[in-house]
Amino acid sequence: DTAVSQTPKYLVTQMGNDKSIKCEQNLGHDTMYWYKQDSKKFLKIMFSYNNKELIINETVPNRFSPKSPDKAHLNLHINSLELGDSAVYFCASARLAGGVNEQYFGPGTRLTVT
Amino acid sequence: AQTVTQSQPEMSVQEAETVTLSCTYDTSESDYYLFWYKQPPSRQMILVIRQEAYKQQNATENRFSVNFQKAAKSFSLKISDSQLGDAAMYFCAYRSSSGTYKYIFGTGTRLKVLA
Repeated sequence: DTAVSQTPKYLVTQMGNDKSIKCEQNLGHDTMYWYKQDSKKFLKIMFSYNNKELIINETVPNRFSPKSPDKAHLNLHINSLELGDSAVYFCASARLAGGVNEQYFGPGTRLTVT
Repeated sequence: AQTVTQSQPEMSVQEAETVTLSCTYDTSESDYYLFWYKQPPSRQMILVIRQEAYKQQNATENRFSVNFQKAAKSFSLKISDSQLGDAAMYFCAYRSSSGTYKYIFGTGTRLKVLA
């Protein structure tokens, strides 16, 4: 009964490759997010979708592209991977309508680019 | 733009003692939400406590409580009777009640609990 799941949890790949990370939530939330956590533990918002509509698109390289096939899924595709893309990527979801709504996070995907 | 500042990169506390983690934020809004998240070595982000800005009463969850000072834009977390399992990174977060609903996180405070 996992609330927010991500696959894979670990991803090791070489520079120049293309990879995807998948995220699914079964909480019935209307909004999903992608964050990047660097080696200093700083959490940086990348994207957010509300009801399948992109509402947050921070300054990230256009090699990163989110895709939301439905409200329960938000995938992250990364083209031409670079060494600097190595980080932990977190997916999160929240219900924005009505009241205080905390984010629920997935377990994270540790991406290592060699 | 809103910002969240955690001025303590690292804190230590003796087991069973009390520790307070600081968080300040900057906003021009009157209605917003504040959160504390815990990230243990497992890296899972776990919600510790939340506070609505319109509520004057400080939120409490078991051994965790906050001191919310709206005028001072301060939101500190107090952990009482510290346990070894409390050792983690703690992140303070702000969320607007309107607009894009972006969550803004502080840089985190690493808490060490000494046996």
